[in-house]
Amino acid sequence: EDQVTQSPEALRLQEGESSSLNCSYTVSGLRGLFWYRQDPGKGPEFLFTLYSAGEEKEKERLKATLTKKESFLHITAPKPEDSATYLCAVQTSGNTPLVFGKGTRLSVIA
Amino acid sequence: NAGVTQTPKFQVLKTGQSMTLQCAQDMNHEYMSWYRQDPGMGLRLIHYSVGAGITDQGEVPNGYNVSRSTTEDFPLRLLSAAPSQTSVYFCASRTGNEKLFFGSGTQLSVL
Repeated sequence: EDQVTQSPEALRLQEGESSSLNCSYTVSGLRGLFWYRQDPGKGPEFLFTLYSAGEEKEKERLKATLTKKESFLHITAPKPEDSATYLCAVQTSGNTPLVFGKGTRLSVIA
Repeated sequence: NAGVTQTPKFQVLKTGQSMTLQCAQDMNHEYMSWYRQDPGMGLRLIHYSVGAGITDQGEVPNGYNVSRSTTEDFPLRLLSAAPSQTSVYFCASRTGNEKLFFGSGTQLSVL
């Protein structure tokens, strides 16, 4: 059974304090790994897709990386507006549904 | 371009009542899906569809029905609501194996 585990469940950072969120996965064959951001009361918004080990993608203060067993979302010098829940999801083969982790709730304090 | 539209945004039901959560997308996406989100449980797949006339069950399908008569619409039906179905429901769509686009959600309370 495909599994996605995110850690930590919650993370509290001071503004400017860089850190990383972890997404580990156990799947039969990875087709893509997705990162989403979710603000309270809203639907998840797409951030990145990673397809193969060694791949990296960046957007503003966020950088996502991928290995054969896990992905990291690095947040550099975060600001309060980066506070949100970050979700990781994997897709295995074909036109299959995404399997989501439970998310990491990030709070950035000014 | 509206994207994925869900209605209603909020709904309160009594146990045993039935209702339909509506989902429509205007991006001509073949794939549509319904998730529920509960505290500490993350997003769990209820049902999904890879095209008009084709539906399949996800992780938590019991108590829910779906149909897909058009590409644009994918309604979720609760035939006899139960308190365990209190949750936030998200509809999402995509084309091919690309990223999912989510609606803004329906917050459902069953008393």
